[in-house]
Amino acid sequence: RKEVEQDPGPFNVPEGATVAFNCTYSNSASQSFFWYRQDCRKEPKLLMSVYSSGNEDGRFTAQLNRASQYISLLIRDSKLSDSATYLCVVRGNNDMRFGAGTRLTVKP
Amino acid sequence: DTGVSQDPRHKITKRGQNVTFRCDPISEHNRLYWYRQTLGQGPEFLTYFQNEAQLEKSRLLSDRFSAERPKGSFSTLEIQRTEQGDSAMYLCASSQGQDNEKLFFGSGTQLSVL
Repeated sequence: RKEVEQDPGPFNVPEGATVAFNCTYSNSASQSFFWYRQDCRKEPKLLMSVYSSGNEDGRFTAQLNRASQYISLLIRDSKLSDSATYLCVVRGNNDMRFGAGTRLTVKP
Repeated sequence: DTGVSQDPRHKITKRGQNVTFRCDPISEHNRLYWYRQTLGQGPEFLTYFQNEAQLEKSRLLSDRFSAERPKGSFSTLEIQRTEQGDSAMYLCASSQGQDNEKLFFGSGTQLSVL
């Protein structure tokens, strides 16, 4: 079993749609959680951290369920510029593990 | 440019040759990570340094791979006796540390083994 698992998609949605991505992790001792965004042929960049209480940044909402070892990302009112691969990231003691990513394409 | 820099951007080599990549992290960052990424996959963890100490190394990293970070500044990743399966994008990232875990990535080194 992979340490961080994501639905690879692709998700193809129209502009303005709401889309949700899920991620599960296997290491119950994991300490920190993040969503990164990666555009085609570019390096990953931090989108947002994920906190147990849930957190929101504009159109983006991230949630963490430690009991289920599950992380989610919700994008509301999706824009063409949201098209990218979204990577779930989990920190253990000495490393940061990435999921394989979920590809999102937002269409006009 | 004060970001993470990697050199070279591209490397083409023949199977069996040795290659070395360099990463210069952001100057005040004490954590440095190496990842490998292939098409359609997320970055795969290779190894991690806290200052000059290599604290974690992936089980997937064969003995042909070695990384160093002398003096806790720049880092090098060497692959000996390259194989075609080593072809990938090699990404370096750095972060400040405990209170700020945000990873800043370099643009990567694209390795092609012929």
